[in-house]
Amino acid sequence: ETGVTQTPRHLVMGMTNKKSLKCEQHLGHNAMYWYKQSAKKPLELMFVYSLEERVENNSVPSRFSPECPNSSHLFLHLHTLQPEDSALYLCASSQEIVGGYEQYFGPGTRLTVT
Amino acid sequence: QQQVKQSPQSLIVQKGGIPIINCAYENTAFDYFPWYQQFPGKGPALLIAIRPDVSEKKEGRFTISFNKSAKQFSLHIMDSQPGDSATYFCAARRSGAGSYQLTFGKGTKLSVIP
Repeated sequence: ETGVTQTPRHLVMGMTNKKSLKCEQHLGHNAMYWYKQSAKKPLELMFVYSLEERVENNSVPSRFSPECPNSSHLFLHLHTLQPEDSALYLCASSQEIVGGYEQYFGPGTRLTVT
Repeated sequence: QQQVKQSPQSLIVQKGGIPIINCAYENTAFDYFPWYQQFPGKGPALLIAIRPDVSEKKEGRFTISFNKSAKQFSLHIMDSQPGDSATYFCAARRSGAGSYQLTFGKGTKLSVIP
């Protein structure tokens, strides 16, 4: 595997379910990100981790809970979501969070909340 | 408040045409302006980027024009091909603290017809 991988690629869940999204980067980077991509809206940064410590939260609802056990893996735990949370969730990584390093994106998880 | 305004929302050109996508920003602290290309089922990928000390940058068939006084920048695709059909996002970033924070436009869906 190369680059940034995400699983699952598609997920349908009810509002009472609990599920998790997984991201893995194979680039040796130290920073990882979660973005939300909704139709006709700019990409929204949700969470940033640097060396496994959360740097920024951006006031995301608590029904989204990130976890970064090491610099290569990032999870997004989902519970009691709302239909408006349906979107493409993108993971990205970069070498560091300072210095303006390029962010490399994964293919995303298409989430549908019913 | 949207800090990077992108237009048009969608664009259809014939093969060989020169699609132009425009972006305008408000924050004068931005000093790095990348363009991302996203194909269906893929994450965004960096295409080309410019800093405000130059007015134009070319990479292959892709050109960024930058107007610092007007706080506008645009992407031109020369001799467009059907394989260029994708969604294009402009973005902006400032240096220093928080330099990982990319502010994206809403995207332009480009279709190049044979």
